[in-house]
Amino acid sequence: KAGVTQTPRYLIKTRGQQVTLSCSPISGHRSVSWYQQTPGQGLQFLFEYFSETQRNKGNFPGRFSGRQFSNSRSEMNVSTLELGDSALYLCASSIIGGPDQETQYFGPGTRLLVL
Amino acid sequence: GQNIDQPTEMTATEGAIVQINCTYQTSGFNGLFWYQQHAGEAPTFLSYNVLDGLEEKGRFSSFLSRSKGYSYLLLKELQMKDSASYLCAVRLDNYGQNFVFGPGTRLSVLP
Repeated sequence: KAGVTQTPRYLIKTRGQQVTLSCSPISGHRSVSWYQQTPGQGLQFLFEYFSETQRNKGNFPGRFSGRQFSNSRSEMNVSTLELGDSALYLCASSIIGGPDQETQYFGPGTRLLVL
Repeated sequence: GQNIDQPTEMTATEGAIVQINCTYQTSGFNGLFWYQQHAGEAPTFLSYNVLDGLEEKGRFSSFLSRSKGYSYLLLKELQMKDSASYLCAVRLDNYGQNFVFGPGTRLSVLP
């Protein structure tokens, strides 16, 4: 079974631009979560999507948004980029129900640099 | 607010045993998770505790005391490949995947 994939892997943007990141979960996984990881703040939860609905949300400003499609693929968007948005953005998928439901599988991440 | 504390760095010798502690104060609790993250890689799931006590999985064990807001991860028979960051995380509720992560403990295993 293929793992979680994220595109692109690396991205350079300038302040004020917007960016869209994509995540394809493991086949059969319907929950997709997004995280931001920085050296200073560590791993922080952005939001979770399940069945095309945002089910949970962390403490990030409204510039961070996401969506999920009917095939469970998810995108996150950051508008009006700031220097502090430079980070590794990780996507994780999990199955609902069953013995493996407590496990989140992380993708390799998208490294975003804002100049 | 949410607060999870872990030691920043630890060093141990190959073949030894190391215990990584985690204390938490969170608005909700529906499980404590440990993840391993090698440098430049994504985190991988190690263990999960929702009830008090010890969960053992091969060379790794994890303990939870909900009344004390405390957990530890025990790594036995350390190998060089265990050099990584270990992240403690609390799931806040039983409605989906709403997590707070600790800052991580960077473990260095020396020969």
